[in-house]
Amino acid sequence: DGGITQSPKYLFRKEGQNVTLSCEQNLNHDAMYWYRQDPGQGLRLIYYSQIVNDFQKGDIAEGYSVSREKKESFPLTVTSAQKNPTAFYLCASSIYGLAGGSDTGELFFGEGSRLTVL
Amino acid sequence: AQSVTQLGSHVSVSEGALVLLRCNYSSSVPPYLFWYVQYPNQGLQLLLKYTSAATLVKGINGFEAEFKKSETSFHLTKPSAHMSDAAEYFCAVNPITGGGNKLTFGTGTQLKVEL
Repeated sequence: DGGITQSPKYLFRKEGQNVTLSCEQNLNHDAMYWYRQDPGQGLRLIYYSQIVNDFQKGDIAEGYSVSREKKESFPLTVTSAQKNPTAFYLCASSIYGLAGGSDTGELFFGEGSRLTVL
Repeated sequence: AQSVTQLGSHVSVSEGALVLLRCNYSSSVPPYLFWYVQYPNQGLQLLLKYTSAATLVKGINGFEAEFKKSETSFHLTKPSAHMSDAAEYFCAVNPITGGGNKLTFGTGTQLKVEL
């Protein structure tokens, strides 16, 4: 079955450590996204990538980094510079990343990764 | 900038009662609109989407939503709530133009279903 796989599901880290969250998709989608979710704040866009080897900052990129070396993979690193990293992180993909594509922009989501910094 | 407003961060209904979750958007042209559902500690699942084909959109699990251009609304309804409907619901908009094909999400509505 096609879909998006995020790992790990739960992650605990000490303050000051960098952590990397994995996101893999086998939907052959061009675009991939990382969102952060906090209670009562909805989904906030961290980074997105419309094509391989290219990515753009979202609304809350500070303290995060990404790479897009392969179409299927879009890992997110939460660095020690992120002041409040404890959150639920969601990876998503869409068929096209650029406006003008024939799709609606519908996002397909992974199951999420919950990061807790102790 | 495009935005989505969900009125009511928490909604409580009795089992069997009508579910109404409100969503209003700001857009100069009819956008694409979506409703997603999220169960605890899971990702978001698409309930339904409006793509200009029909103003009344039917989705999964008995939900439907009506696009009303004059009211810039896309409210989600279900005639009879079930305990399994308890979840968080998100409305989202793709403005189509100028947005780079990215969705903007509302802040979510937590639906509680009581016996």
